[in-house]
Amino acid sequence: GIQVEQSPPDLILQEGANSTLRCNFSDSVNNLQWFHQNPWGQLINLFYIPSGTKQNGRLSATTVATERYSLLYISSSQTTDSGVYFCATSIYNQGGKLIFGQGTELSVKP
Amino acid sequence: DVKVTQSSRYLVKRTGEKVFLECVQDMDHENMFWYRQDPGLGLRLIYFSYDVKMKEKGDIPEGYSVSREKKERFSLILESASTNQTSMYLCASSLTGRGEKLFFGSGTQLSVL
Repeated sequence: GIQVEQSPPDLILQEGANSTLRCNFSDSVNNLQWFHQNPWGQLINLFYIPSGTKQNGRLSATTVATERYSLLYISSSQTTDSGVYFCATSIYNQGGKLIFGQGTELSVKP
Repeated sequence: DVKVTQSSRYLVKRTGEKVFLECVQDMDHENMFWYRQDPGLGLRLIYFSYDVKMKEKGDIPEGYSVSREKKERFSLILESASTNQTSMYLCASSLTGRGEKLFFGSGTQLSVL
């Protein structure tokens, strides 16, 4: 099956710093999503981005499907950005069945 | 915004009990999913459903069953709870099976003693 790998596994930042999280996937996909899990366990969908670039405030994401990777950029990080970031994807004929990476745990210090 | 509601935030059950976890979504989504999340193992798909009365096994269906009698409701059933089913259970929904955004509920932390 498709493999999804995220790096780095964990990251500690000072408030105000920028960061880039990476997601590599092993097969051609038609669906790439980024999620943030807050310290209370709630998973929030940040981006649906099968290809191209999207921005939402201080966050942006880029997926290069032909090279099988996606990047999540966090600029001017805040303590509320702490938590675990997951990417997830699915292969062409199983669009609704997402496979998740292991996540990047981010801790932003004041 | 889509709302996915799970009936309990925390649940404590005894080994051998039958356990029902309920999930309701309010956006007429076709697809609903049950995942479990464990430290070091990430999120793993238990069951999913593309339509009413339709279900498909995910990656770890053993020990679980599901029910979808109405479009908005998807129930996960532990027929005889065991300690290795202690976990965070997450329900999710998406509009169709063609890869739209997935929306999660707030999760149910189940402890089986």
